Parts: sequence; structure tokens; C-alpha cells
Amino acid sequence: NAGVTQTPKFQVLKTGQSMTLQCAQDMNHEYMSWYRQDPGMGLRLIHYSVGAGITDQGEVPNGYNVSRSTTEDFPLRLLSAAPSQTSVYFCASSRGTYHIYEQYFGPGTRLTVT
Amino acid sequence: EDKVVQSPLSLVVHEGDTVTLNCSYEVTNFRSLLWYKQEKKAPTFLFMLTSSGIEKKSGRLSSILDKKELFSILNITATQTGDSAVYLCAVGYSGAGSYQLTFGKGTKLSVIP
Repeated sequence: NAGVTQTPKFQVLKTGQSMTLQCAQDMNHEYMSWYRQDPGMGLRLIHYSVGAGITDQGEVPNGYNVSRSTTEDFPLRLLSAAPSQTSVYFCASSRGTYHIYEQYFGPGTRLTVT
Repeated sequence: EDKVVQSPLSLVVHEGDTVTLNCSYEVTNFRSLLWYKQEKKAPTFLFMLTSSGIEKKSGRLSSILDKKELFSILNITATQTGDSAVYLCAVGYSGAGSYQLTFGKGTKLSVIP
């Protein structure tokens, strides 16, 4: 199993550009989520999904869109990049939705917006 | 308002020392508390605690949860330089019909030889 994979590993965008961060898992996990990590801020939840076709907002959803057309994939779209979105982005997946399971994290994408 | 507060924010110790990291929380519909270790890459899972007073141990690391006082501690005995990392505490709770995690800001541990 590859676990949780993310692409790209690094990305530089100009203000106003759009892009999609890819996330995939091969563990048949129902629950997937996106976090951003900024210095001194810990991990903050952007969006999450409890299954294919179902998504919801987390703590910091503004400026980001998600969709979940398959169990395996959970892409994160930046609609119009802003310098405030410079961060490290982590995708995570978990076996359950309402039940308690550990979350497995992908390797992260480091995004810089100039 | 932070739901999960970790202390201290950073800590420097010598090899062989014992350290205690703290995590206090305030959430409704508490389900679990998790500890992760992060070394310049993705967080890796250490422990999950759901019942109060039960100690989880893995080698030199141990953790306990106090659901009455709403806190957890992570102990590391006989520290090694490889323990240098940021330790994250996360609290799982029921919200919007599903299970969510909220993370603290982390404790940066530096172990010097």
C-alpha cells in the first residue's frame, strides 16, 4: 500500500493563479481531510469528507474548494491564490467517520504564493 | 479561542532527561485524544486515548488522559537526540454529524547530547 500520497511536493504560484493539490489514498478509508500548517499555528482543518459525494467545511475553508467523486481521491482547489495561502498542506485519511480511528497523513505540499 | 492548548511551546533538554508535555482541551462531545510526532515532515501517530486514567505505553513514551480535568500528558523517559521533534496533541470530537480533529500548536522538543 502506498498509503496517502500528495502531489506536487512543492509549488510556487503567483497571486491570482488557481491550482489543484492532489491527494489519494489506497486504504479504502471513508474519511479524508485537508489541513494547512503555518508556523506557530499548528494544523488547521480546511475541508473534510465523510465519503464519496459528501464534503463539509472545517475551520479555515475560505479560498478553497473540494470535491470527492471517488473514495480514493480528495483534491483541494485554490480558486485565486493569495499570499496568505502560503503554507504547508497535509491531506489525511481515516478508516471511520463517526467512529474513532487514527488519521494517516500524506507527505505534504509546500505552497508559496508570491 | 483555542480548544486545545499545549505547554510548553518549546523545551530543550539533555540526553537522558525525562520530559513531560502537557495538553489541555475544551471541546463538546469529546471522543478521543491523540498524540503525534512531527519531524520536518508529516505527523506520525503515537497514541490515542479514549478512556480516562488509562496509560498507554510504547517503549520510553507513555501518555495518560484525565477526562475530568480535561488534560493529557505525554512522558518521554531517557530522552535521545532522535526524540527531537514537534509533538502535537489533537482532540477528536463529534461535530456536524461526523468526527473531527482539532490540533494544538505543538511542543517543540530539542534534545541535546
